[in-house]
Amino acid sequence: DVKVTQSSRYLVKRTGEKVFLECVQDMDHENMFWYRQDPGLGLRLIYFSYDVKMKEKGDIPEGYSVSREKKERFSLILESASTNQTSMYLCASSLLSGGESQPQHFGDGTRLSIL
Amino acid sequence: GQNIDQPTEMTATEGAIVQINCTYQTSGFNGLFWYQQHAGEAPTFLSYNVLDGLEEKGRFSSFLSRSKGYSYLLLKELQMKDSASYLCAVIDSNYQLIWGAGTKLIIKP
Repeated sequence: DVKVTQSSRYLVKRTGEKVFLECVQDMDHENMFWYRQDPGLGLRLIYFSYDVKMKEKGDIPEGYSVSREKKERFSLILESASTNQTSMYLCASSLLSGGESQPQHFGDGTRLSIL
Repeated sequence: GQNIDQPTEMTATEGAIVQINCTYQTSGFNGLFWYQQHAGEAPTFLSYNVLDGLEEKGRFSSFLSRSKGYSYLLLKELQMKDSASYLCAVIDSNYQLIWGAGTKLIIKP
């Protein structure tokens, strides 16, 4: 069965801290994604990756960076956390599309609070 | 700009049928997904439509009209466990996924 694992369900950090959110998938998927989800706004794409060491900016990359050193792992980094980055963060993965679009499979999410 | 519209919230009765609508304006179209998300949990894949018509999967069906930029998710024989948010997402011409804000469905006994 498909499994996307995020390292923490709940996380509390302080303003200015560097924060690491980890995501691992066991399905050998090429594509990996980081979203944040806020009430009334839906899912917003932060960064995505189609291959190892490859990354592309999504809709709201400011204040974030990512790392993909291995195919199964995609890390989201908040360089200097701010209160407006308090949110639910969701990681997802999918197969590379071979003509038919592939569904994304999500982790359980990390609810991050920045104090 | 790209836009997906869904009702914010709907209420229905256990055992009944409910239809959740989704309209979209995107740069191109390469398919539409429906996801279910229970409170505090991850979204889970429900259905995928790329051609016009109805796709049925048990109690859930999804319909697409590309000419109208319109889809709906139909839930039959509603159960209390169907209380969740339902997310509509469209793949645009660049194969980027555009997400709606979701519809919160409340099921009452």
